[in-house]
Amino acid sequence: EVQLVESGGGLVQPGGSLRLSCAASGFTSRSYWMHWVRQAPGKGLVWVSRINGDGSSTTYAHSVKGRFTISRDIAKNTLYLQMTGLRAEDTAVYYCATGDSHAFVIWGQGTMVTVSS
Amino acid sequence: QSALTQPPSASGSPGQSVSISCTGTSSDVGGFNSVSWYQQHPGKAPKLMIYEVTKRPSGVPDRFSASKSGNTASLTVSGLQAEDEADYYCSSYAGDDTWLFGGGTKLTVL
Repeated sequence: EVQLVESGGGLVQPGGSLRLSCAASGFTSRSYWMHWVRQAPGKGLVWVSRINGDGSSTTYAHSVKGRFTISRDIAKNTLYLQMTGLRAEDTAVYYCATGDSHAFVIWGQGTMVTVSS
Repeated sequence: QSALTQPPSASGSPGQSVSISCTGTSSDVGGFNSVSWYQQHPGKAPKLMIYEVTKRPSGVPDRFSASKSGNTASLTVSGLQAEDEADYYCSSYAGDDTWLFGGGTKLTVL
């Protein structure tokens, strides 16, 4: 079964750091670009970041550039999002998704990040 | 990077058709044939319904169709069913390997 499973979410204080993971199974994720998309409570989807197949190229939304770093471990079939300088407005469910034809094809179930003191 | 514009709500009775619009600019929706649509039920992950403006992934009912004209894309759900009640989001490639989403439309089946 093709599946993405996120982990690593939790409660963190403003200014803190957190690393999210997204484990892929049932397929070789390195064949795909991978994305992080977030959704604040009661709000819409927002694209956060993407990485290409071999991890050599990344892009970020303006709101997270310089604070978040996307990476992937091809051997472990796992995607990461290192988040630093966290702010209250980063509070959201974070989804990982595979990318193909400029669409988000396979989605994980999401992991909740809460930034609060 | 402004979000694409969607109506906050839409509704229709079972069996009817309803359309949801998604308006962007020539730098995103109008500039690329890369609009996609997602269905999200409460508490669930989004599901891809349409990609490359008009294409349906395997398993998506043909009651779901989509189109684009200029800077506006549209999703049409025909023969509305109770299970179609959900939030719908459009997305567009915006160049330079960035993407935008719409604000979402809550579809209610009356």
